[in-house]
Amino acid sequence: AQSVSQHNHHVILSEAASLELGCNYSYGGTVNLFWYVQYPGQHLQLLLKYFSGDPLVKGIKGFEAEFIKSKFSFNLRKPSVQWSDTAEYFCAVRGGADGLTFGKGTHLIIQP
Amino acid sequence: DAGVTQSPTHLIKTRGQHVTLRCSPISGHKSVSWYQQVLGQGPQFIFQYYEKEERGRGNFPDRFSARQFPNYSSELNVNALLLGDSALYLCASSTRGAPYEQYFGPGTRLTVT
Repeated sequence: AQSVSQHNHHVILSEAASLELGCNYSYGGTVNLFWYVQYPGQHLQLLLKYFSGDPLVKGIKGFEAEFIKSKFSFNLRKPSVQWSDTAEYFCAVRGGADGLTFGKGTHLIIQP
Repeated sequence: DAGVTQSPTHLIKTRGQHVTLRCSPISGHKSVSWYQQVLGQGPQFIFQYYEKEERGRGNFPDRFSARQFPNYSSELNVNALLLGDSALYLCASSTRGAPYEQYFGPGTRLTVT
């Protein structure tokens, strides 16, 4: 069975700081990888996805993620965070079956 | 365009009761998936339906069942409710096949007392 591990459950940063959220997955086959975001009071939204090709993928709102196959990782990055980035971030993997396996999430708080 | 819609928004039930949750996918999407999100956790996959057939099932007991209708809307049924079934139930719709992007609805908050 596949699993997803998000290393940081709570992260607090100041505006303009750089962000990196860790995500590791366990699945030996071909995977599709996703980062979803849940802003306060809103539903889950897709930030970015990886299917194949360039391992560095860019998403909405200045976010990017790098797929490192040898490390089974898909870390999320943003060079300079804003107060509006305060949200819950979920890493997810699709491997084989059609359902997504999510990590437990990282609660990100940006202080103005 | 309308996104994924779910009803009801909130629901309070008593242990042992039965509940039905409903989901309408994005127009043109033929696949619907259901997830359970317990407070402080990521969503857990329950079912996926495509063209009215079950295509995937997560690790949930038989008390959980679902179906998909000809218009691609879906229902999730939970029998013999337990306190531990209290959660946010999310519906996601997608097209079949790549890129496998799932679009989530706002969820139904179920509280079992």
